[in-house]
Amino acid sequence: GESVGLHLPTLSVQEGDNSIINCAYSNSASDYFIWYKQESGKGPQFIIDIRSNMDKRQGQRVTVLLNKTVKHLSLQIAATQPGDSAVYFCAENRGFQKLVFGTGTRLLVSP
Amino acid sequence: DAGVIQSPRHEVTEMGQEVTLRCKPISGHNSLFWYRQTMMRGLELLIYFNNNVPIDDSGMPEDRFSAKMPNASFSTLKIQPSEPRDSAVYFCASSFGRAAYQETQYFGPGTRLLVL
Repeated sequence: GESVGLHLPTLSVQEGDNSIINCAYSNSASDYFIWYKQESGKGPQFIIDIRSNMDKRQGQRVTVLLNKTVKHLSLQIAATQPGDSAVYFCAENRGFQKLVFGTGTRLLVSP
Repeated sequence: DAGVIQSPRHEVTEMGQEVTLRCKPISGHNSLFWYRQTMMRGLELLIYFNNNVPIDDSGMPEDRFSAKMPNASFSTLKIQPSEPRDSAVYFCASSFGRAAYQETQYFGPGTRLLVL
C-alpha cells in the first residue's frame, strides 16, 4: 500500500498574536540549535540560533528558548504577521557541522 | 550579496536518465552541504564537503548518487541512473566552515527534480 507521508503539525494564529512553535530534540549531546523558516518554493532561511550554554536568546520579534533537561526548544514570534506564514524547522548540531532537522511546523497567520 | 546559487531550478527527466545538479556556494564559504527534501522523509543531509573534501557521505542513498567539489566555487550532485523515487527537492547549503561546529548554514533555492 501507499506509505503515509509526514504530517506537518499546523499552528493557526491571528495577525498580531504571539506564536510559539515547539520542537523536541533527541540527542543530549547536541550543542547548537538553529531555527529555520521555509516559505513555499524556497530554501530554508536562517532565523535564530542558540548554543547549549544558553537558555534564551532574543532577536528581532523572535525569541528562542532551550530547555536541555527535557530536550526541548521553542521559537516565540511576537506580533505575528501574515508574512510569517511558513514552515518552521528546528535543527540540532550533532557534530562537525552536521545538522539534523525536525519535521517542521506549519504556521498560518490570518489577517 | 549573492547567496547560494543552484541550477537548474526545475528538472523533469525519465527514469534511467542521468541527472546533474549544480551548486555555487557563497563566496568565502569553505563548507558545502547537499540536502534532499521529501514529504516522506523531510530534510535529509546527503553529503558535505569542507575545503572541497568530502567529510561525511553517510546520507547518500546508494551508489547511484555521487557528488563532487572540484573547486571552492562549484559542486555537483549526480544521479545515474535516476529513478522515480529520487523525485524530491534538492538543496545546497554553505557555511564559513572555519569552526568545527556551531556555524549557520545558508541554503540555496533548491532544484525540484521529477523523475517520470
